[in-house]
Amino acid sequence: NAGVTQTPKFQVLKTGQSMTLQCAQDMNHNSMYWYRQDPGMGLRLIYYSASEGTTDKGEVPNGYNVSRLNKREFSLRLESAAPSQTSVYFCASLRIAGVGDTQYFGPGTRLTVL
Amino acid sequence: GESVGLHLPTLSVQEGDNSIINCAYSNSASDYFIWYKQESGKGPQFIIDIRSNMDKRQGQRVTVLLNKTVKHLSLQIAATQPGDSAVYFCAETGEIATDSWGKFQFGAGTQVVVTP
Repeated sequence: NAGVTQTPKFQVLKTGQSMTLQCAQDMNHNSMYWYRQDPGMGLRLIYYSASEGTTDKGEVPNGYNVSRLNKREFSLRLESAAPSQTSVYFCASLRIAGVGDTQYFGPGTRLTVL
Repeated sequence: GESVGLHLPTLSVQEGDNSIINCAYSNSASDYFIWYKQESGKGPQFIIDIRSNMDKRQGQRVTVLLNKTVKHLSLQIAATQPGDSAVYFCAETGEIATDSWGKFQFGAGTQVVVTP
């Protein structure tokens, strides 16, 4: 049981390049999330997927697209990277249980856009 | 808009003492709250959660208190250890079965530094 996995761990892009960040969870969770975290700040929601086949914008969706490929996988795409997208990106999945709902995070992707 | 925030950006605690980390929220419709711990270079790790129908919940060495009257959340860590040094975030989301459910909003975080 690996939990939430993300690839790549590190990435350097030039302005205008595109890339896709991959995320997968093996916990059979319905909901998945993409956040970005900038230095000294909390996490900001980019996009989320409440269930397979649905996606919704979060607080900072501009410049990003997402795909909920199946229940396990939720990818984040930067079509034309900008320096302002330099950040650490975290994927998360959500379990809904009787006692409490727990959001599990991946290890993060550190992205630098030059 | 609605926000979740923390009172103290940095908390220095002596090993063995108790830590108290505070969080204010402004959305009265918030239904579910989580405290996370984030160590350097890692993703946030779930510590403890609480629903709005509770005012206290205890875990192993941690207690979360919720005061809905003043919209305040706190995390108490008993007998703080060096391994507790990290950034602690509170997060909230709206009521289940509403449009705001699952859209977590995070506070900026509090850096806890445990000194020997």
